[in-house]
Amino acid sequence: QVQLVQSGAEVRKPGASVKVSCKASGFSLSSYYMHWVRQAPGQGLEWMGWINPNSGDTNYVQKFQGRVSITRDTSINKVYMELTRLKFDDTAVYYCARDPGPGYDFFVVWGPGTLVTVSS
Amino acid sequence: EIVLTQSPGTLSLTPGDSAALSCRASQSITNKSLRWYQQKFGQAPRLLIYGTSIRATGVPDRVSGSGSGTDFTLIINRLAPEDSAVYYCQHFGSSLTFGGGTKVEIK
Repeated sequence: QVQLVQSGAEVRKPGASVKVSCKASGFSLSSYYMHWVRQAPGQGLEWMGWINPNSGDTNYVQKFQGRVSITRDTSINKVYMELTRLKFDDTAVYYCARDPGPGYDFFVVWGPGTLVTVSS
Repeated sequence: EIVLTQSPGTLSLTPGDSAALSCRASQSITNKSLRWYQQKFGQAPRLLIYGTSIRATGVPDRVSGSGSGTDFTLIINRLAPEDSAVYYCQHFGSSLTFGGGTKVEIK
């Protein structure tokens, strides 16, 4: 069964970092781009960027440049999203998502989401 | 960056009604690049439509998408209580963007 399993909820103080994991099962990460999308409480969806797990190449939204890092460990079929210098408005549910294949830029498989709360 | 504007913000309908959700792009986009997602409360989004009008796997044929240029529409016929959700359009051009969403309430 194709699915994505994400790590559990996190609470961090402003200025700290958080690293969220996303484990793929039922398919090989190496074959698909993996994306991260976040959703602040009561708000819409915001795309953060992607990684090509095969090459390790990444593409980030300019808004997050310098603060976000998406990495992968293909040996355990996991991708990670690390966000640094956290601010209160980084409080959100963070989703990993998979596209259908090379050349596609939409999402056919989603993780359940990981709530990251930034609170002092 | 292309901005997607969805309207209305909320639709309140009764079972059996039809819903028409609008997604307007700030400039012309290709049909290939417009998608629709459904997000039920407390759940991750689910792909409904890609390429403006192609239904994703498992999406019933009472859901349809259409449009071109800057104006796109998602139609849901014979609404059922399980259609209560927020619906988002999405585009990829120079970056990947989502519309602000339309909440559909079935009462």
